[in-house]
Amino acid sequence: GQQVMQIPQYQHVQEGEDFTTYCNSSTTLSNIQWYKQRPGGHPVFLIQLVKSGEVKKQKRLTFQFGEAKKNSSLHITATQTTDVGTYFCAGPLIQGAQKLVFGQGTRLTINP
Amino acid sequence: DAGVIQSPRHEVTEMGQEVTLRCKPISGHNSLFWYRQTMMRGLELLIYFNNNVPIDDSGMPEDRFSAKMPNASFSTLKIQPSEPRDSAVYFCASSFAGGLGELFFGEGSRLTVL
Repeated sequence: GQQVMQIPQYQHVQEGEDFTTYCNSSTTLSNIQWYKQRPGGHPVFLIQLVKSGEVKKQKRLTFQFGEAKKNSSLHITATQTTDVGTYFCAGPLIQGAQKLVFGQGTRLTINP
Repeated sequence: DAGVIQSPRHEVTEMGQEVTLRCKPISGHNSLFWYRQTMMRGLELLIYFNNNVPIDDSGMPEDRFSAKMPNASFSTLKIQPSEPRDSAVYFCASSFAGGLGELFFGEGSRLTVL
Protein backbone atom coordinates (compact mmCIF):
# COMPACT_ATOMS: atom_id res chain seq x y z
CA GLY A 1 0.00 0.00 0.00
CA GLN A 2 0.94 3.63 -0.13
CA GLN A 3 3.48 4.52 2.50
CA VAL A 4 5.76 7.22 3.74
CA MET A 5 9.06 5.74 4.89
CA GLN A 6 11.53 7.62 7.02
CA ILE A 7 15.13 6.83 7.94
CA PRO A 8 16.95 6.54 10.20
CA GLN A 9 14.64 5.59 13.04
CA TYR A 10 17.10 6.87 15.64
CA GLN A 11 20.08 9.19 15.51
CA HIS A 12 22.39 10.14 18.33
CA VAL A 13 24.89 12.94 17.75
CA GLN A 14 27.30 15.08 19.67
CA GLU A 15 26.22 18.65 20.09
CA GLY A 16 27.56 20.64 17.18
CA GLU A 17 27.40 17.77 14.70
CA ASP A 18 25.06 17.80 11.75
CA PHE A 19 21.94 15.67 11.43
CA THR A 20 19.91 14.51 8.44
CA THR A 21 16.68 12.55 8.17
CA TYR A 22 15.26 11.21 4.92
CA CYS A 23 11.70 10.62 3.81
CA ASN A 24 10.55 8.50 0.87
CA SER A 25 7.11 7.94 -0.56
CA SER A 26 5.90 5.13 -2.78
CA THR A 27 3.86 7.64 -4.75
CA THR A 28 4.21 11.23 -5.91
CA LEU A 29 3.25 13.73 -3.25
CA SER A 30 1.44 16.98 -3.91
CA ASN A 31 3.25 18.41 -0.92
CA ILE A 32 5.29 17.28 2.03
CA GLN A 33 5.22 18.61 5.54
CA TRP A 34 7.69 18.32 8.38
CA TYR A 35 6.82 18.28 12.07
CA LYS A 36 8.82 18.19 15.27
CA GLN A 37 7.67 16.51 18.45
CA ARG A 38 9.54 17.21 21.65
CA PRO A 39 9.65 14.42 24.25
CA GLY A 40 6.26 14.29 25.96
CA GLY A 41 4.85 16.87 23.58
CA HIS A 42 2.72 16.99 20.48
CA PRO A 43 3.77 17.33 16.82
CA VAL A 44 4.38 20.91 15.80
CA PHE A 45 4.44 22.02 12.18
CA LEU A 46 7.80 23.14 10.84
CA ILE A 47 7.34 23.65 7.12
CA GLN A 48 5.57 22.62 3.94
CA LEU A 49 7.22 22.02 0.57
CA VAL A 50 5.16 22.04 -2.60
CA LYS A 51 7.37 22.49 -5.65
CA SER A 52 9.60 19.91 -7.28
CA GLY A 53 13.21 20.45 -6.21
CA GLU A 54 12.21 23.05 -3.64
CA VAL A 55 14.69 23.98 -0.92
CA LYS A 56 13.72 26.00 2.14
CA LYS A 57 15.79 27.11 5.09
CA GLN A 58 14.87 27.99 8.64
CA LYS A 59 18.00 29.14 10.45
CA ARG A 60 20.03 25.93 10.89
CA LEU A 61 17.37 23.71 9.28
CA THR A 62 17.35 22.99 5.55
CA PHE A 63 14.44 21.20 3.91
CA GLN A 64 14.50 19.71 0.42
CA PHE A 65 11.81 18.23 -1.80
CA GLY A 66 12.99 15.84 -4.51
CA GLU A 67 12.64 16.49 -8.20
CA ALA A 68 10.20 13.62 -8.56
CA LYS A 69 8.29 14.77 -5.46
CA LYS A 70 8.72 11.33 -3.90
CA ASN A 71 11.42 12.10 -1.38
CA SER A 72 12.44 14.80 1.01
CA SER A 73 15.11 15.51 3.58
CA LEU A 74 15.66 17.63 6.65
CA HIS A 75 19.19 18.66 7.52
CA ILE A 76 20.18 20.38 10.75
CA THR A 77 23.54 22.09 10.83
CA ALA A 78 25.48 22.24 14.09
CA THR A 79 22.87 20.64 16.33
CA GLN A 80 21.97 22.16 19.67
CA THR A 81 20.34 20.51 22.67
CA THR A 82 17.13 22.32 21.80
CA ASP A 83 16.94 20.24 18.61
CA VAL A 84 16.20 17.08 20.61
CA GLY A 85 12.95 15.42 19.58
CA THR A 86 11.35 13.31 16.90
CA TYR A 87 11.11 14.67 13.38
CA PHE A 88 8.27 13.49 11.17
CA CYS A 89 7.57 13.93 7.52
CA ALA A 90 3.98 13.71 6.33
CA GLY A 91 2.21 13.79 3.03
CA PRO A 92 -1.21 13.34 1.45
CA LEU A 93 -0.63 10.07 -0.38
CA ILE A 94 -3.49 10.46 -2.79
CA GLN A 95 -3.47 13.45 -5.13
CA GLY A 96 -5.71 16.13 -3.72
CA ALA A 97 -6.65 14.00 -0.73
CA GLN A 98 -6.81 15.36 2.74
CA LYS A 99 -5.51 12.16 4.27
CA LEU A 100 -2.19 13.20 5.75
CA VAL A 101 -0.02 10.18 6.52
CA PHE A 102 3.05 10.43 8.72
CA GLY A 103 6.36 8.66 8.43
CA GLN A 104 7.66 6.69 11.38
CA GLY A 105 9.78 9.59 12.51
CA THR A 106 13.46 9.99 13.33
CA ARG A 107 14.24 10.39 16.98
CA LEU A 108 17.19 12.69 17.55
CA THR A 109 19.13 12.64 20.78
CA ILE A 110 22.09 14.88 21.46
CA ASN A 111 25.07 14.46 23.74
CA PRO A 112 25.96 17.89 25.15
CA ASP B 1 -6.21 31.56 20.01
CA ALA B 2 -6.54 28.66 22.44
CA GLY B 3 -5.42 26.07 19.93
CA VAL B 4 -6.84 22.57 19.67
CA ILE B 5 -8.18 21.49 23.04
CA GLN B 6 -8.35 17.87 24.07
CA SER B 7 -9.73 16.22 27.16
CA PRO B 8 -9.00 14.35 29.25
CA ARG B 9 -5.21 14.74 29.20
CA HIS B 10 -4.79 11.45 30.99
CA GLU B 11 -7.16 8.56 31.50
CA VAL B 12 -6.60 5.28 33.28
CA THR B 13 -9.35 2.75 32.99
CA GLU B 14 -9.96 -0.94 33.26
CA MET B 15 -10.43 -3.32 30.39
CA GLY B 16 -14.02 -3.41 29.22
CA GLN B 17 -14.86 0.13 30.22
CA GLU B 18 -16.05 2.76 27.78
CA VAL B 19 -13.66 5.60 27.02
CA THR B 20 -14.64 8.91 25.46
CA LEU B 21 -12.03 11.36 24.25
CA ARG B 22 -13.00 14.89 23.33
CA CYS B 23 -11.64 17.49 20.98
CA LYS B 24 -12.38 21.13 20.26
CA PRO B 25 -10.71 22.22 17.01
CA ILE B 26 -9.48 25.71 16.27
CA SER B 27 -12.36 27.97 15.32
CA GLY B 28 -12.68 28.32 11.56
CA HIS B 29 -10.82 25.12 10.72
CA ASN B 30 -12.86 22.83 8.49
CA SER B 31 -10.90 19.59 8.84
CA LEU B 32 -10.39 17.47 11.92
CA PHE B 33 -8.15 14.44 12.34
CA TRP B 34 -7.81 11.79 15.02
CA TYR B 35 -4.39 10.11 15.31
CA ARG B 36 -3.12 7.43 17.63
CA GLN B 37 0.53 7.27 18.65
CA THR B 38 2.35 4.26 20.04
CA MET B 39 6.00 3.30 20.15
CA MET B 40 5.40 0.30 17.92
CA ARG B 41 3.16 1.85 15.26
CA GLY B 42 4.06 5.53 15.36
CA LEU B 43 1.41 8.09 14.38
CA GLU B 44 -1.58 6.35 12.83
CA LEU B 45 -4.42 8.24 11.23
CA LEU B 46 -7.68 6.85 12.58
CA ILE B 47 -10.28 9.06 10.93
CA TYR B 48 -10.69 12.51 9.51
CA PHE B 49 -13.64 14.82 9.03
CA ASN B 50 -14.18 17.58 6.53
CA ASN B 51 -16.93 20.07 7.31
CA ASN B 52 -18.12 17.75 10.09
CA VAL B 53 -18.53 14.81 7.69
CA PRO B 54 -16.39 11.68 8.15
CA ILE B 55 -14.36 11.31 4.96
CA ASP B 56 -12.08 8.37 5.67
CA ASP B 57 -12.34 6.03 8.63
CA SER B 58 -10.23 3.25 7.16
CA GLY B 59 -7.72 3.67 9.97
CA MET B 60 -10.21 2.89 12.70
CA PRO B 61 -8.94 -0.37 14.18
CA GLU B 62 -12.24 -2.13 14.64
CA ASP B 63 -15.88 -1.73 15.54
CA ARG B 64 -15.00 -0.91 19.11
CA PHE B 65 -13.87 2.49 17.90
CA SER B 66 -16.29 5.19 16.80
CA ALA B 67 -15.94 8.91 16.15
CA LYS B 68 -18.45 11.69 15.77
CA MET B 69 -18.40 15.34 14.93
CA PRO B 70 -21.85 16.75 15.70
CA ASN B 71 -20.79 20.32 14.93
CA ALA B 72 -17.81 22.34 13.79
CA SER B 73 -16.50 22.89 17.29
CA PHE B 74 -16.62 19.44 18.84
CA SER B 75 -15.61 15.86 18.14
CA THR B 76 -15.47 12.67 20.16
CA LEU B 77 -13.59 9.41 19.82
CA LYS B 78 -15.17 6.56 21.71
CA ILE B 79 -13.78 3.14 22.52
CA GLN B 80 -16.22 0.55 23.78
CA PRO B 81 -15.22 -1.81 25.22
CA SER B 82 -11.63 -0.76 25.82
CA GLU B 83 -8.73 -3.24 25.76
CA PRO B 84 -5.14 -2.99 27.04
CA ARG B 85 -3.84 -2.80 23.46
CA ASP B 86 -5.75 0.48 23.05
CA SER B 87 -3.28 2.13 25.42
CA ALA B 88 -1.72 4.99 23.49
CA VAL B 89 -1.66 8.75 23.12
CA TYR B 90 -4.57 9.96 21.04
CA PHE B 91 -4.09 13.23 19.21
CA CYS B 92 -6.68 15.44 17.64
CA ALA B 93 -5.59 17.89 14.95
CA SER B 94 -7.36 20.48 12.86
CA SER B 95 -6.57 22.47 9.75
CA PHE B 96 -7.96 24.91 7.20
CA ALA B 97 -7.26 22.69 4.22
CA GLY B 98 -7.14 19.09 5.30
CA GLY B 99 -3.91 17.29 4.50
CA LEU B 100 -2.97 20.03 2.08
CA GLY B 101 -2.19 22.50 4.83
CA GLU B 102 -0.62 22.76 8.25
CA LEU B 103 -2.09 20.57 10.96
CA PHE B 104 -2.46 22.00 14.44
CA PHE B 105 -2.29 19.29 17.08
CA GLY B 106 -3.79 19.23 20.52
CA GLU B 107 -1.69 18.16 23.46
CA GLY B 108 -3.09 14.65 23.29
CA SER B 109 -4.98 12.29 25.56
CA ARG B 110 -2.84 9.60 27.14
CA LEU B 111 -4.97 6.48 27.62
CA THR B 112 -3.94 3.55 29.79
CA VAL B 113 -6.17 0.51 29.82
CA LEU B 114 -5.36 -1.92 32.59
